[in-house]
Amino acid sequence: EAQVTQNPRYLITVTGKKLTVTCSQNMNHEYMSWYRQDPGLGLRQIYYSMNVEVTDKGDVPEGYKVSRKEKRNFPLILESPSPNQTSLYFCASTPSGYNEQFFGPGTRLTVL
Amino acid sequence: ILNVEQSPQSLHVQEGDSTNFTCSFPSSNFYALHWYRWETAKSPEALFVMTLNGDEKKKGRISATLNTKEGYSYLYIKGSQPEDSATYLCAYSGSARQLTFGSGTQLTVLP
Repeated sequence: EAQVTQNPRYLITVTGKKLTVTCSQNMNHEYMSWYRQDPGLGLRQIYYSMNVEVTDKGDVPEGYKVSRKEKRNFPLILESPSPNQTSLYFCASTPSGYNEQFFGPGTRLTVL
Repeated sequence: ILNVEQSPQSLHVQEGDSTNFTCSFPSSNFYALHWYRWETAKSPEALFVMTLNGDEKKKGRISATLNTKEGYSYLYIKGSQPEDSATYLCAYSGSARQLTFGSGTQLTVLP
């Protein structure tokens, strides 16, 4: 089944404890992105990647890192999480800029 | 950060009513306009991706139009059903790289 998977789905952590949210897609898509969703603000792009080893900042990259060592994986890294990073995170992939985005199931992160 | 506005923020309609929402976006540097349907506790799912001025797309009772010169798109739902209740998101792309989402229109269809 064609899909985007994310892990974990739910995470409660404390300020400053490094964490990684994994994202994997099995559709051989070139483009992958990370978004965060906060009430009243809609989805905001954190980082995107156009291919292996090609990543760039989106609208809200501060406090996040990404890597794209393989085409299928695009992990989101929070080196030192803070409470303002409490949010719902979505990973998405697409074959090109003209195509629809396929979203993962979301990761709800709470930073205490 | 680009400005993508959706209106209304929310609306309630009766089952069987037809309704429409608006998405406005920058009229310069247009690449694509996306519409997504997002049900509570699920992930957004694509409805349409439109790339040309004057594009009209249709999927069942849902259709969309695009005016890139003036920077707006309409989403129409004909004969709304309770299962249409969801948040409808539009997203503007000025390049292949980035997608900027509006904050959505939350539709509730009352039986």
